[in-house]
Amino acid sequence: DGGITQSPKYLFRKEGQNVTLSCEQNLNHDAMYWYRQDPGQGLRLIYYSQIVNDFQKGDIAEGYSVSREKKESFPLTVTSAQKNPTAFYLCASSIIGDGELFFGEGSRLTVL
Amino acid sequence: GESVGLHLPTLSVQEGDNSIINCAYSNSASDYFIWYKQESGKGPQFIIDIRSNMDKRQGQRVTVLLNKTVKHLSLQIAATQPGDSAVYFCAARFKSGGSQGNLIFGKGTKLSVKP
Repeated sequence: DGGITQSPKYLFRKEGQNVTLSCEQNLNHDAMYWYRQDPGQGLRLIYYSQIVNDFQKGDIAEGYSVSREKKESFPLTVTSAQKNPTAFYLCASSIIGDGELFFGEGSRLTVL
Repeated sequence: GESVGLHLPTLSVQEGDNSIINCAYSNSASDYFIWYKQESGKGPQFIIDIRSNMDKRQGQRVTVLLNKTVKHLSLQIAATQPGDSAVYFCAARFKSGGSQGNLIFGKGTKLSVKP
């Protein structure tokens, strides 16, 4: 079945460590996105990519990095520079020019 | 900047009643609107969308109404069921600004259905 797969579902990190969240899609979508979700907040855009080897900062990119080496994959690294990394992270993809985003099931990161 | 807001953070309805969830947006240039349902610990799921050249769109048990005059969007759920309990997000796409026309999300309304 086509869809978006995020892993791991739960992740624990010690302060000062970088962690990478995986996002893979087999929908043949050109655009991919990373959102952060905090309790009581809407989804906030971290990074997005519309084509391989290119990506753009979203509204809250500081402390995060991404890569887009393959169309199917858009991993997100939460670096030690992110001061408040504990959150629910959502990956999404879409057809460029189409409004609907298809979301993965999310990854919950907890910093100990 | 652009913003999307919901009128109520929580809504409680009786099973079988109709639910109405409201949303307001700030940018009159927005051309596309979408509603998502998110169950606890899961990713958002598409419910229904509407373009700015329409006022109303219906799906299965759901209707979205768009009032461009007052920049208001609503989601109506008919005969609400326990399985409808979730957080509902509206989002709007703005033609200019806002991360190159990406969706701007509201904060969500948590719908609770009482049996």
